Amino acid sequence: SQQGEEDPQALSIQEGENATMNCSYKTSINNLQWYRQNSGRGLVHLILIRSNEREKHSGRLRVTLDTSKKSSSLLITASRAADTASYFCATDGETSGSRLTFGEGTQLTVNP
Amino acid sequence: DAGVIQSPRHEVTEMGQEVTLRCKPISGHNSLFWYRQTMMRGLELLIYFNNNVPIDDSGMPEDRFSAKMPNASFSTLKIQPSEPRDSAVYFCASSSFTIAKNIQYFGAGTRLSVL
Repeated sequence: SQQGEEDPQALSIQEGENATMNCSYKTSINNLQWYRQNSGRGLVHLILIRSNEREKHSGRLRVTLDTSKKSSSLLITASRAADTASYFCATDGETSGSRLTFGEGTQLTVNP
Repeated sequence: DAGVIQSPRHEVTEMGQEVTLRCKPISGHNSLFWYRQTMMRGLELLIYFNNNVPIDDSGMPEDRFSAKMPNASFSTLKIQPSEPRDSAVYFCASSSFTIAKNIQYFGAGTRLSVL
């Protein structure tokens, strides 16, 4: 099955709440990245965490990585309606070269 | 830099016609990727190039699909003949390990409708 699977598939919250999305993967990785896709647009890189890192922050984003469980989470704090988008995790493995394997994505809806 | 540039943004064609999608990667990037995205199948990698050389085309659905990268600043994805099931959004992305650790930069996509 596919490397990089997000959970949940869809998430609906109110503005101001926190949103947490999870990603699981199957093989050893070098890095894990999170991307965002607004409706009708291309994916945009948000944050990268290396396999030897456990947590990383960027503005309202917090990413954690647990290589023992082969999982990552993306937390968006104090969500805004503009955060409404699909979020994808992507991994590059030790043998995948420049190729990334994307998950199926979580559709986040932030209601004003 | 203007980012990854794809053309056309929208393409409507009839079944059996040839379709050519174009991509200009970010200058200095040495990897280029073609993806297809549909509601049913999600984001699929079709083919990718390193230094203009195709590395993995296992995602290309059929012989009707072909991709070329004649130089570092241009790539095409061709579908001939096109079929209604090819309707999707096609994305091109580029990356550079040395510049940006395999972070991929996506174009705005080409929305293809085959009638």
